Amino acid sequence: DGGITQSPKYLFRKEGQNVTLSCEQNLNHDAMYWYRQDPGQGLRLIYYSQIVNDFQKGDIAEGYSVSREKKESFPLTVTSAQKNPTAFYLCASSSAGRVYEQYFGPGTRLTVT
Amino acid sequence: GENVEQHPSTLSVQEGDSAVIKCTYSDSASNYFPWYKQELGKRPQLIIDIRSNVGEKKDQRIAVTLNKTAKHFSLHITETQPEDSAVYFCAAPTNTGNQFYFGTGTSLTVIP
Repeated sequence: DGGITQSPKYLFRKEGQNVTLSCEQNLNHDAMYWYRQDPGQGLRLIYYSQIVNDFQKGDIAEGYSVSREKKESFPLTVTSAQKNPTAFYLCASSSAGRVYEQYFGPGTRLTVT
Repeated sequence: GENVEQHPSTLSVQEGDSAVIKCTYSDSASNYFPWYKQELGKRPQLIIDIRSNVGEKKDQRIAVTLNKTAKHFSLHITETQPEDSAVYFCAAPTNTGNQFYFGTGTSLTVIP
């Protein structure tokens, strides 16, 4: 089912807690991305990574952190500093040679109360 | 940086009619324009794309047109079917080409 997985599908946390969202791909893609999706606002880029051990901030990186220790994995941590963390989070990947074509994971819906 | 605007935000059509979704972009250096379809509760999936060296591309009932001078591109769906109901997103790359800006999405409903 696309070779890119996210877990869990639904996640519930209390306000003030950090939470880490998983993203794994077996497509041998170099680049990986994290997006946040809110109703009426499309997909907004949080962080992206073109290569292992390197990543860049997207438009809405505040309150989030990432790591890229392995090519296959790009976990996203939603910290307590993120003011409105409740959202649908999508991970994507693309190969270096076809950087424009992105493959998306199934998403994680995070609810913080 | 790139700015992508997408219209309309919602669109309802009768089954069999055509649907058109339009996007504009600001960065004249942008050279690749994908369209993604996201069904309810599912992941976005690439349905068609166009590069700046062509003006139109077709794939069965789906077509995309590009006007580089006016900096807009459009998705055309003909003979719409209920399974076309979904949210559609356009996108354009940044000038470095390593990330996209997405439109805000169009929720298409095909009425049987």
